[in-house]
Amino acid sequence: SQQGEEDPQALSIQEGENATMNCSYKTSINNLQWYRQNSGRGLVHLILIRSNEREKHSGRLRVTLDTSKKSSSLLITASRAADTASYFCATATNSGYSTLTFGKGTMLLVSP
Amino acid sequence: GAVVSQHPSRVICKSGTSVKIECRSLDFQATTMFWYRQFPKQSLMLMATSNEGSKATYEQGVEKDKFLINHASLTLSTLTVTSAHPEDSSFYICSASDQGAEAFFGQGTRLTVV
Repeated sequence: SQQGEEDPQALSIQEGENATMNCSYKTSINNLQWYRQNSGRGLVHLILIRSNEREKHSGRLRVTLDTSKKSSSLLITASRAADTASYFCATATNSGYSTLTFGKGTMLLVSP
Repeated sequence: GAVVSQHPSRVICKSGTSVKIECRSLDFQATTMFWYRQFPKQSLMLMATSNEGSKATYEQGVEKDKFLINHASLTLSTLTVTSAHPEDSSFYICSASDQGAEAFFGQGTRLTVV
């Protein structure tokens, strides 16, 4: 069943600006992952944050996790037109990383 | 990361026919494979989970007789959409995992039933 809810559903910004996307979930998790999907294409794994972590960085990406609020945020700094895509959070509730429940996604449009 | 190859990337079939989609793990043993479906502008919905050598476990609302899953080897799982209808048109994505470790996704298959 669907667990994650992303917010906003769509986001339109200019190149160079920062983009923040939020994800909320309902049950306890083992980890939360963020993926990118270009239109009609497969998924690209961006970052994984474990339930005992609060913040993680990877390049221009910053992910936070607040397990007390059951929420996570993905920040993309200095956005580029190539960042235009849909972004999904996915949660894993078992002891492994393989069974994922995806949120509804945020469509990000970065204009030059 | 590990590579999962999904084939075909696009397929068009006539209503009433069956179509098979393959998902291969190229450089690791996939003890578990997952099949997802994604309708336009929507998220991925898990259809079924298959473990090598066992029957697949289907999510609620997914017809097992319509979506046949075979996971006969540690590197290959297939999804067959039987008697396809236009409402089955969707984007199907597989992922593969080695004993519960991180899952890796295939490139997806765009199915159009005409």
